[in-house]
Amino acid sequence: DTEVTQTPKHLVMGMTNKKSLKCEQHMGHRAMYWYKQKAKKPPELMFVYSYEKLSINESVPSRFSPECPNSSLLNLHLHALQPEDSALYLCASSRGRGYEQYFGPGTRLTVT
Amino acid sequence: ELKVEQNPLFLSMQEGKNYTIYCNYSTTSDRLYWYRQDPGKSLESLFVLLSNGAVKQEGRLMASLDTKARLSTLHITAAVHDLSATYFCAVDKPDPRNSGYALNFGKGTSLLVTP
Repeated sequence: DTEVTQTPKHLVMGMTNKKSLKCEQHMGHRAMYWYKQKAKKPPELMFVYSYEKLSINESVPSRFSPECPNSSLLNLHLHALQPEDSALYLCASSRGRGYEQYFGPGTRLTVT
Repeated sequence: ELKVEQNPLFLSMQEGKNYTIYCNYSTTSDRLYWYRQDPGKSLESLFVLLSNGAVKQEGRLMASLDTKARLSTLHITAAVHDLSATYFCAVDKPDPRNSGYALNFGKGTSLLVTP
């Protein structure tokens, strides 16, 4: 299995909702990442987990809360988002930091 | 601060023509990646370049890396419509916060191949 899966594919949520994005990989990778991508822009790194520990938090607002329950799973919990948070959220994984990253299909998030 | 600059940012080319996309970066790095992204889709890894002078080819695409010049090129040979997409280069940025690396992307080159 050489893929990263993400659910849901699309998500529409109101500003008062709480939702979660899920990412899963079964390649034995020990580093997992969350990126945010706005239209016609490159991906922006949000969080990095290495060996299930948060190692980078790129000054992301607290309304985004990552969680890594085990080495194969990565969640992103969303609460009280703003319309400007609407974007494509990409998950990626790699053997370790500094190795090629494999990206999931993304979750298209719309905040209304 | 690591800066990654791609040019051109937009490229319209005819089928059958050749062209090169350039990726310059500002600080030393031995790892450079090229990704392709179709509209509304995720990123697909094209090439991983790990050392000075590395050259990799896949179909009509060829990527090279010159670490001394801090330059990578993505050369397109005899373009076809299926190559229309956005191409990103990305450079590993040493991150002292975790003794590891984080990818730093260029702005992307939006390529349109027309008949």
